[in-house]
Amino acid sequence: GENVEQHPSTLSVQEGDSAVIKCTYSDSASNYFPWYKQELGKGPQLIIDIRSNVGEKKDQRIAVTLNKTAKHFSLHITETQPEDSAVYFCAAQGGGADGLTFGKGTHLIIQP
Amino acid sequence: DGGITQSPKYLFRKEGQNVTLSCEQNLNHDAMYWYRQDPGQGLRLIYYSQIVNDFQKGDIAEGYSVSREKKESFPLTVTSAQKNPTAFYLCASRTTWRALYGYTFGSGTRLTVV
Repeated sequence: GENVEQHPSTLSVQEGDSAVIKCTYSDSASNYFPWYKQELGKGPQLIIDIRSNVGEKKDQRIAVTLNKTAKHFSLHITETQPEDSAVYFCAAQGGGADGLTFGKGTHLIIQP
Repeated sequence: DGGITQSPKYLFRKEGQNVTLSCEQNLNHDAMYWYRQDPGQGLRLIYYSQIVNDFQKGDIAEGYSVSREKKESFPLTVTSAQKNPTAFYLCASRTTWRALYGYTFGSGTRLTVV
């Protein structure tokens, strides 16, 4: 089955700086890669996703890049703000019927 | 508004007791999922269901049971066989005919053994 590795587990950046979270996956058949943001005590919310026929996607301050050859994808947040502080999860849709496989999460801390 | 509702938000279980967590969705989604979340462990799949009256075990199904009698509902029972049930439980759903779309998550149930 699919295996997703996510790094780093904790990331602290100064407000206004950029943050990058990286994930690798194992199943070359995976074709869908969403990112979720989870605030304390709440369920994860989809913030951006990318499909295998696209190399990059951007939505305001958030962007995701995908390198299918290397089997890795990354989340980029520019001009970070205090409300960006949360846990971020990457995921990959593999070839099986059991849906998404998640990374272990990155706790993003925005320092004022 | 369409969405996915989990209840209760907080649940306390005594030793040896079974408890049931509710998950209801009005998104007309075919597939539903239960995940367990522990600190530093990410989301681990307990059970999933692609259609009514059918479900499959995930990675950590031992000590849990589910049913899928209606498309909208996918309750999870934490049985007394689950030795370490204290965790945050998340339910999710998605449509299956549009496979390349992500899940919609509920707001979670925090279960604590007392």
